[in-house]
Amino acid sequence: AQSVAQPEDQVNVAEGNPLTVKCTYSVSGNPYLFWYVQYPNRGLQFLLKYITGDNLVKGSYGFEAEFNKSQTSFHLKKPSALVSDSALYFCAVTFYSSASKIIFGSGTRLSIRP
Amino acid sequence: GAVVSQHPSWVICKSGTSVKIECRSLDFQATTMFWYRQFPKQSLMLMATSNEGSKATYEQGVEKDKFLINHASLTLSTLTVTSAHPEDSSFYICSALLNGYEQYFGPGTRLTVT
Repeated sequence: AQSVAQPEDQVNVAEGNPLTVKCTYSVSGNPYLFWYVQYPNRGLQFLLKYITGDNLVKGSYGFEAEFNKSQTSFHLKKPSALVSDSALYFCAVTFYSSASKIIFGSGTRLSIRP
Repeated sequence: GAVVSQHPSWVICKSGTSVKIECRSLDFQATTMFWYRQFPKQSLMLMATSNEGSKATYEQGVEKDKFLINHASLTLSTLTVTSAHPEDSSFYICSALLNGYEQYFGPGTRLTVT
């Protein structure tokens, strides 16, 4: 079965420190990979995506992610965390088709302490 | 670009009544839209795929007579929760598909059934 794993329910980081939110996937074919962020009582906001090309992709709010095919990972990173980065983060996988469903990870709550 | 709106953002209704939630793609046309349900501190659960001009495709375990979906135009899909009960209280999120693989999410609708 195709799946996306976010092994950490919660990640706690001090403001100014680098952060990493982990994501691994188990799918067949060539997936498209996404990161979304969700603030309380809001929908999902797109952060970044990997489709093809350079394995390091840069996205919104200073976030970046590295696609690692051999490790089937797509970890989200930021060099210096902000308190405002505190939110729920979802890794997701999809495929190109006219009715392409998304496979979501379980989500990781990121908490940045001042 | 690629903005999706939902209306209402929150609604409270009495048990036994029906509630309609609208999902609109504001600056693009979407043949396919998706409806999700999210429980507190959990990931999104796909309820159904809404296709313009045809019947929606429901995920296993989702009652199609309970959750009526209509996708009457390329910019509007509606979800009607019929004869709502307290267990239907949840956060409902829609998304619209663009370019065959990108989903843009609405801000969500908080439904509370009393």
